[in-house]
Amino acid sequence: GAVVSQHPSRVICKSGTSVKIECRSLDFQATTMFWYRQFPKQSLMLMATSNEGSKATYEQGVEKDKFLINHASLTLSTLTVTSAHPEDSSFYICSARAGQGGEKLFFGSGTQLSVL
Amino acid sequence: QKEVEQNSGPLSVPEGAIASLNCTYSDRVSQSFFWYRQYSGKSPELIMSIYSNGDKEDGRFTAQLNKASQYVSLLIRDSQPSDSATYLCAVNNPGNQFYFGTGTSLTVIP
Repeated sequence: GAVVSQHPSRVICKSGTSVKIECRSLDFQATTMFWYRQFPKQSLMLMATSNEGSKATYEQGVEKDKFLINHASLTLSTLTVTSAHPEDSSFYICSARAGQGGEKLFFGSGTQLSVL
Repeated sequence: QKEVEQNSGPLSVPEGAIASLNCTYSDRVSQSFFWYRQYSGKSPELIMSIYSNGDKEDGRFTAQLNKASQYVSLLIRDSQPSDSATYLCAVNNPGNQFYFGTGTSLTVIP
């Protein structure tokens, strides 16, 4: 399957700081990437759709000024959590479509964010 | 009504038994169906995809699709403790939107 690389895998930061998470498609180009959030023992929650060369599309209830998404190239999307607070602590996972017609979704390894 | 529904479980089966996981979806025009496995603290991993009615086998895994009844299932034969995980059902509609179920937690008891 297609490889999606996500870094860092784990980050601990102080409240009020910003954290950037990178998501790369290693062996394919991804015009669209997806960012999910997952709390312990809960399901995936789609936060936003990242579009190469244009603005991201955010799901209802997700603050676009807090979760900044940049998709500057066909292989890289970044999510920046600005002014992080303890309630932002969560597992963030990126994904991208691949396969013939882009019908399959492959996930990065995820980033566990802990805000102190 | 949720797009994709799964029984959250937990489902427990003894080692060597068949684990059966079920999923229903609401959009009749959905075209692609997937099963993901997610270990605790890890991201989902694609294990099966199915696009047409019937069964699709891959090793110990068999995916079953019935579009008329709008359900898709996953059978795991000869279940192993390493199969213990949460299994996510996902559906892709013609608009290329993915919808995930809430996942079924499976525990295989040695």
